[in-house]
Amino acid sequence: SQQGEEDPQALSIQEGENATMNCSYKTSINNLQWYRQNSGRGLVHLILIRSNEREKHSGRLRVTLDTSKKSSSLLITASRAADTASYFCATPRSSNFGNEKLTFGTGTRLTIIP
Amino acid sequence: GAGVSQSPRYKVAKRGQDVALRCDPISGHVSLFWYQQALGQGPEFLTYFQNEAQLDKSGLPSDRFFAERPEGSVSTLKIQRTQQEDSAVYLCASSTTPGQGYEQYFGPGTRLTVT
Repeated sequence: SQQGEEDPQALSIQEGENATMNCSYKTSINNLQWYRQNSGRGLVHLILIRSNEREKHSGRLRVTLDTSKKSSSLLITASRAADTASYFCATPRSSNFGNEKLTFGTGTRLTIIP
Repeated sequence: GAGVSQSPRYKVAKRGQDVALRCDPISGHVSLFWYQQALGQGPEFLTYFQNEAQLDKSGLPSDRFFAERPEGSVSTLKIQRTQQEDSAVYLCASSTTPGQGYEQYFGPGTRLTVT
């Protein structure tokens, strides 16, 4: 079952504009991760934010986390054509075995228009 | 360095056939995961290995699905008597260590089409 829900489901913007996508989740977490998926490179980890962090930056990416609202946002600044992809938030679920399995949302399909 | 590799990249099977999907994780990675991704959906967890031990198989949809990692490196996901609902992309991921808060490195996936 999908825990996270991304919003919007699809987003088209002009190259150079900023793109914001949101993720909501249901259960308590100790970290939240964002991944990007395109046909060329598969599923790639972008950034991880821990539950005691409110904001994190990586290059043109900015992630926020609000644990009280169980939500996160991913901002991509100065978008490029190469940013066209599907973006997923993933929340971990711990098991009794010490592993952490990721639960992915349904994704936001981002299209950058040149 | 080499990332996670999977083979074959595409597989077409007739309903009822058995298939075997291979995953080569990043060398030295202790943790290995299999996920299933249906069209238009996010990946869903199938099973987890820590070295050669299959510790969590709670996501396997039926007893037709079987996974192994006998020497703690390469893993194989086997699906017996394939059904049309098994059509999906099967993703393998590896991680350096067990525990929480570690990035998972994904392979390109195997797209399985059952006709």
